[in-house]
Amino acid sequence: ETGVTQTPRHLVMGMTNKKSLKCEQHLGHNAMYWYKQSAKKPLELMFVYNFKEQTENNSVPSRFSPECPNSSHLFLHLHTLQPEDSALYLCASSQEGGQKNIQYFGAGTRLSVL
Amino acid sequence: DQQVKQNSPSLSVQEGRISILNCDYTNSMFDYFLWYKKYPAEGPTFLISISSIKDKNEDGRFTVFLNKSAKHLSLHIVPSQPGDSAVYFCAAGGNDMRFGAGTRLTVKP
Repeated sequence: ETGVTQTPRHLVMGMTNKKSLKCEQHLGHNAMYWYKQSAKKPLELMFVYNFKEQTENNSVPSRFSPECPNSSHLFLHLHTLQPEDSALYLCASSQEGGQKNIQYFGAGTRLSVL
Repeated sequence: DQQVKQNSPSLSVQEGRISILNCDYTNSMFDYFLWYKKYPAEGPTFLISISSIKDKNEDGRFTVFLNKSAKHLSLHIVPSQPGDSAVYFCAAGGNDMRFGAGTRLTVKP
């Protein structure tokens, strides 16, 4: 248990569906991240939030829409996805000013887009 | 642009021997380096780190070496144990981290 919980663990959706991924951290951290991991590729940073404010968007298509209502919760809203969006989506959190750059990851959501 | 590369997708080692996992980076501004370990169905977990002011950091069976001139870091595990079998990711950066694609380590009993 890393203190970062992601739901659902698995998700299958059609290209016309709308779904949301949820991440919750119980570590009191003030930064949260979304990553995409495709097979045999590096983890790709998608979004970064510091103190609920989005500080980075790595040219992510608009069909991915993040939401950070507070420093403990992070959502990734999905709509009209493509099959190539199938991947493992990982959420992480860290403490700005704490142990530098150590991120704590959730177990991920395995997304399949049909 | 892949700034952090792990060129070996897999590594197999006999129990008790040394495992050496390698990582190369391209950005000379990176000043902090980490290794994460990932078991199936779990997220990556932090293993060990090193800052650019050092060239070695040791924690039990795990040692990370940094060669700044070569922009290369390595993780040594000795002695290797079957429970070390996992995917190992290196990460490098400053305020934001960039990850490699991972190396799957298999330690055979």
